[in-house]
Amino acid sequence: QVQLQESGPGLVKPSQTLSLTCTVSGDSISSGSFYWSWIRQPAGKGLEWIGRIYTSGHTNYNPSLKSRVTISVDTSKNQFSLKLNSVTAADTAVYYCARDSAAAGLLDYWGQGTLVTVSS
Amino acid sequence: EIVLTQSPATLSLSPGERATLSCGASQSVTYLAWYQQKPGLAPRLLIYDASSRATGIPDRFSGSGSGTDFTLTISRVEPEDFAVYYCQQYGSSPLTFGGGTKVEIK
Repeated sequence: QVQLQESGPGLVKPSQTLSLTCTVSGDSISSGSFYWSWIRQPAGKGLEWIGRIYTSGHTNYNPSLKSRVTISVDTSKNQFSLKLNSVTAADTAVYYCARDSAAAGLLDYWGQGTLVTVSS
Repeated sequence: EIVLTQSPATLSLSPGERATLSCGASQSVTYLAWYQQKPGLAPRLLIYDASSRATGIPDRFSGSGSGTDFTLTISRVEPEDFAVYYCQQYGSSPLTFGGGTKVEIK
Protein backbone atom coordinates (compact mmCIF):
# COMPACT_ATOMS: atom_id res chain seq x y z
CA GLN A 1 0.00 0.00 0.00
CA VAL A 2 1.45 3.32 -1.09
CA GLN A 3 1.54 5.98 1.62
CA LEU A 4 2.66 9.58 1.50
CA GLN A 5 3.32 11.80 4.51
CA GLU A 6 3.93 15.53 4.46
CA SER A 7 6.15 17.16 7.07
CA GLY A 8 7.45 20.63 7.79
CA PRO A 9 6.81 23.79 9.79
CA GLY A 10 3.18 24.69 10.35
CA LEU A 11 3.93 28.39 10.69
CA VAL A 12 5.97 30.55 8.34
CA LYS A 13 6.56 34.28 8.54
CA PRO A 14 5.62 36.54 5.63
CA SER A 15 8.38 36.99 3.02
CA GLN A 16 10.12 33.81 4.20
CA THR A 17 10.35 30.41 2.50
CA LEU A 18 7.87 27.61 3.03
CA SER A 19 9.59 24.21 3.03
CA LEU A 20 7.82 20.87 3.08
CA THR A 21 8.90 17.28 2.55
CA CYS A 22 6.87 14.31 1.40
CA THR A 23 8.05 10.88 2.49
CA VAL A 24 6.86 7.99 0.35
CA SER A 25 6.47 4.42 1.60
CA GLY A 26 5.25 1.32 -0.18
CA ASP A 27 6.73 2.50 -3.47
CA SER A 28 10.12 3.61 -4.69
CA ILE A 29 10.44 7.10 -6.12
CA SER A 30 13.48 5.91 -8.06
CA SER A 31 11.45 3.20 -9.84
CA GLY A 32 10.81 5.79 -12.52
CA SER A 33 7.18 4.87 -13.01
CA PHE A 34 5.54 7.98 -11.64
CA TYR A 35 5.62 11.71 -11.21
CA TRP A 36 5.20 13.21 -7.73
CA SER A 37 3.05 16.29 -7.20
CA TRP A 38 2.25 19.04 -4.71
CA ILE A 39 -1.26 20.48 -4.41
CA ARG A 40 -2.66 23.03 -1.98
CA GLN A 41 -6.07 24.00 -0.66
CA PRO A 42 -6.87 27.20 1.26
CA ALA A 43 -9.44 26.73 4.01
CA GLY A 44 -12.92 26.35 2.56
CA LYS A 45 -11.68 26.66 -1.02
CA GLY A 46 -10.77 24.47 -3.95
CA LEU A 47 -7.63 22.65 -5.00
CA GLU A 48 -4.65 24.22 -6.75
CA TRP A 49 -1.90 22.16 -8.36
CA ILE A 50 1.53 23.57 -7.56
CA GLY A 51 3.84 21.35 -9.59
CA ARG A 52 5.46 17.95 -9.92
CA ILE A 53 8.75 16.17 -10.31
CA TYR A 54 9.98 13.00 -11.99
CA THR A 55 12.69 10.76 -10.58
CA SER A 56 15.14 12.24 -13.09
CA GLY A 57 14.56 15.65 -11.54
CA HIS A 58 12.45 16.93 -14.43
CA THR A 59 9.83 19.34 -13.15
CA ASN A 60 6.60 20.98 -14.25
CA TYR A 61 5.23 23.97 -12.38
CA ASN A 62 1.97 25.88 -12.37
CA PRO A 63 2.74 29.15 -14.18
CA SER A 64 0.86 31.03 -11.46
CA LEU A 65 3.51 29.99 -8.92
CA LYS A 66 6.49 29.13 -11.10
CA SER A 67 8.59 32.14 -10.14
CA ARG A 68 8.46 31.19 -6.44
CA VAL A 69 8.44 27.36 -6.47
CA THR A 70 11.15 24.74 -6.42
CA ILE A 71 10.41 21.01 -6.21
CA SER A 72 13.27 18.60 -5.67
CA VAL A 73 13.70 14.87 -5.11
CA ASP A 74 15.95 12.81 -2.85
CA THR A 75 15.76 9.23 -4.07
CA SER A 76 18.10 7.99 -1.31
CA LYS A 77 15.50 9.00 1.28
CA ASN A 78 12.47 8.26 -0.93
CA GLN A 79 11.36 11.85 -0.47
CA PHE A 80 10.49 14.86 -2.53
CA SER A 81 10.28 18.42 -1.34
CA LEU A 82 8.59 21.75 -1.95
CA LYS A 83 10.02 25.21 -1.44
CA LEU A 84 7.85 28.27 -1.92
CA ASN A 85 9.59 31.58 -1.36
CA SER A 86 8.38 35.08 -0.59
CA VAL A 87 5.22 33.77 1.04
CA THR A 88 2.24 35.92 2.00
CA ALA A 89 -0.99 35.25 3.86
CA ALA A 90 -2.46 34.09 0.54
CA ASP A 91 -0.17 31.05 0.71
CA THR A 92 -1.87 29.84 3.89
CA ALA A 93 -3.36 26.47 2.99
CA VAL A 94 -3.34 22.74 3.53
CA TYR A 95 -0.54 21.35 1.39
CA TYR A 96 -0.85 17.85 -0.05
CA CYS A 97 1.65 15.65 -1.81
CA ALA A 98 0.39 13.03 -4.24
CA ARG A 99 1.51 10.36 -6.68
CA ASP A 100 0.84 10.91 -10.35
CA SER A 101 0.10 7.46 -11.72
CA ALA A 102 -0.38 8.27 -15.36
CA ALA A 103 2.49 10.68 -15.96
CA ALA A 104 -0.23 12.95 -17.24
CA GLY A 105 -1.48 14.15 -13.89
CA LEU A 106 -3.79 11.49 -12.47
CA LEU A 107 -3.36 11.74 -8.70
CA ASP A 108 -4.09 8.30 -7.30
CA TYR A 109 -2.48 8.41 -3.85
CA TRP A 110 -2.48 11.45 -1.58
CA GLY A 111 -0.86 12.35 1.71
CA GLN A 112 -3.10 13.42 4.57
CA GLY A 113 -2.10 17.05 4.11
CA THR A 114 -0.40 19.54 6.36
CA LEU A 115 -1.63 23.00 7.29
CA VAL A 116 0.82 25.81 6.74
CA THR A 117 -0.09 29.20 8.11
CA VAL A 118 1.72 32.33 7.00
CA SER A 119 1.67 34.85 9.81
CA SER A 120 4.03 37.03 11.76
CA GLU B 1 -4.89 26.90 -18.81
CA ILE B 2 -8.07 24.83 -18.97
CA VAL B 3 -10.78 26.21 -16.69
CA LEU B 4 -13.25 23.70 -15.24
CA THR B 5 -16.66 24.86 -14.05
CA GLN B 6 -18.73 22.59 -11.83
CA SER B 7 -22.46 22.78 -11.28
CA PRO B 8 -24.40 22.99 -9.16
CA ALA B 9 -22.29 24.40 -6.34
CA THR B 10 -24.48 22.57 -3.84
CA LEU B 11 -26.77 19.61 -4.31
CA SER B 12 -29.24 18.81 -1.54
CA LEU B 13 -30.46 15.23 -1.62
CA SER B 14 -31.98 12.56 0.54
CA PRO B 15 -30.30 9.16 0.88
CA GLY B 16 -31.38 6.89 -1.94
CA GLU B 17 -31.81 9.70 -4.45
CA ARG B 18 -29.82 10.04 -7.67
CA ALA B 19 -27.07 12.65 -7.86
CA THR B 20 -25.97 14.23 -11.12
CA LEU B 21 -22.90 16.48 -11.02
CA SER B 22 -21.63 18.41 -14.04
CA CYS B 23 -18.18 19.59 -15.05
CA GLY B 24 -17.65 21.86 -18.05
CA ALA B 25 -14.31 22.72 -19.59
CA SER B 26 -13.18 25.91 -21.32
CA GLN B 27 -11.59 23.78 -24.04
CA SER B 28 -11.49 20.13 -24.97
CA VAL B 29 -9.99 17.95 -22.26
CA THR B 30 -7.68 15.00 -22.85
CA TYR B 31 -8.40 13.19 -19.63
CA LEU B 32 -10.81 13.84 -16.76
CA ALA B 33 -10.94 12.55 -13.19
CA TRP B 34 -13.35 12.92 -10.30
CA TYR B 35 -12.37 13.06 -6.63
CA GLN B 36 -14.38 12.91 -3.41
CA GLN B 37 -13.31 14.91 -0.39
CA LYS B 38 -14.71 14.66 3.11
CA PRO B 39 -14.02 17.26 5.82
CA GLY B 40 -10.47 17.10 7.16
CA LEU B 41 -9.40 14.44 4.68
CA ALA B 42 -7.45 14.37 1.45
CA PRO B 43 -9.30 13.94 -1.84
CA ARG B 44 -9.90 10.36 -2.93
CA LEU B 45 -9.79 9.31 -6.57
CA LEU B 46 -13.17 8.01 -7.76
CA ILE B 47 -13.13 8.08 -11.56
CA TYR B 48 -10.36 8.42 -14.13
CA ASP B 49 -10.35 8.67 -17.90
CA ALA B 50 -13.84 10.15 -17.56
CA SER B 51 -15.59 6.83 -16.95
CA SER B 52 -13.29 4.26 -15.31
CA ARG B 53 -13.81 3.57 -11.62
CA ALA B 54 -10.73 3.58 -9.41
CA THR B 55 -9.91 0.53 -7.32
CA GLY B 56 -12.46 -0.14 -4.60
CA ILE B 57 -15.00 2.44 -5.76
CA PRO B 58 -18.62 1.16 -5.59
CA ASP B 59 -20.49 0.76 -8.87
CA ARG B 60 -23.12 3.31 -7.82
CA PHE B 61 -20.53 5.88 -8.96
CA SER B 62 -20.28 6.36 -12.71
CA GLY B 63 -18.70 8.92 -14.99
CA SER B 64 -19.46 9.93 -18.53
CA GLY B 65 -18.71 12.59 -21.09
CA SER B 66 -16.03 13.74 -23.46
CA GLY B 67 -14.62 16.91 -24.96
CA THR B 68 -15.88 19.74 -22.77
CA ASP B 69 -18.85 18.21 -20.93
CA PHE B 70 -18.59 15.60 -18.22
CA THR B 71 -20.94 14.10 -15.64
CA LEU B 72 -20.52 12.20 -12.39
CA THR B 73 -23.58 10.21 -11.36
CA ILE B 74 -24.28 8.56 -8.04
CA SER B 75 -27.16 6.20 -8.74
CA ARG B 76 -28.43 6.06 -5.14
CA VAL B 77 -26.74 8.33 -2.65
CA GLU B 78 -25.61 6.56 0.51
CA PRO B 79 -25.01 8.39 3.83
CA GLU B 80 -21.24 8.10 3.34
CA ASP B 81 -21.45 9.87 -0.04
CA PHE B 82 -22.22 13.29 1.41
CA ALA B 83 -19.03 15.18 0.59
CA VAL B 84 -17.49 17.61 -1.88
CA TYR B 85 -16.70 16.35 -5.37
CA TYR B 86 -14.05 17.83 -7.64
CA CYS B 87 -13.36 17.24 -11.30
CA GLN B 88 -9.79 17.52 -12.56
CA GLN B 89 -8.33 17.54 -16.03
CA TYR B 90 -5.01 15.93 -16.74
CA GLY B 91 -2.94 15.56 -19.85
CA SER B 92 -2.67 19.33 -20.19
CA SER B 93 -0.38 21.44 -18.01
CA PRO B 94 -1.09 23.00 -15.63
CA LEU B 95 -3.36 20.44 -14.04
CA THR B 96 -6.59 22.16 -13.04
CA PHE B 97 -9.53 21.39 -10.80
CA GLY B 98 -13.13 22.51 -10.82
CA GLY B 99 -14.48 24.54 -7.94
CA GLY B 100 -16.31 21.59 -6.45
CA THR B 101 -19.88 20.45 -5.86
CA LYS B 102 -21.02 19.87 -2.31
CA VAL B 103 -23.51 17.02 -1.94
CA GLU B 104 -25.37 17.65 1.28
CA ILE B 105 -28.16 15.97 3.16
CA LYS B 106 -31.57 17.45 2.41
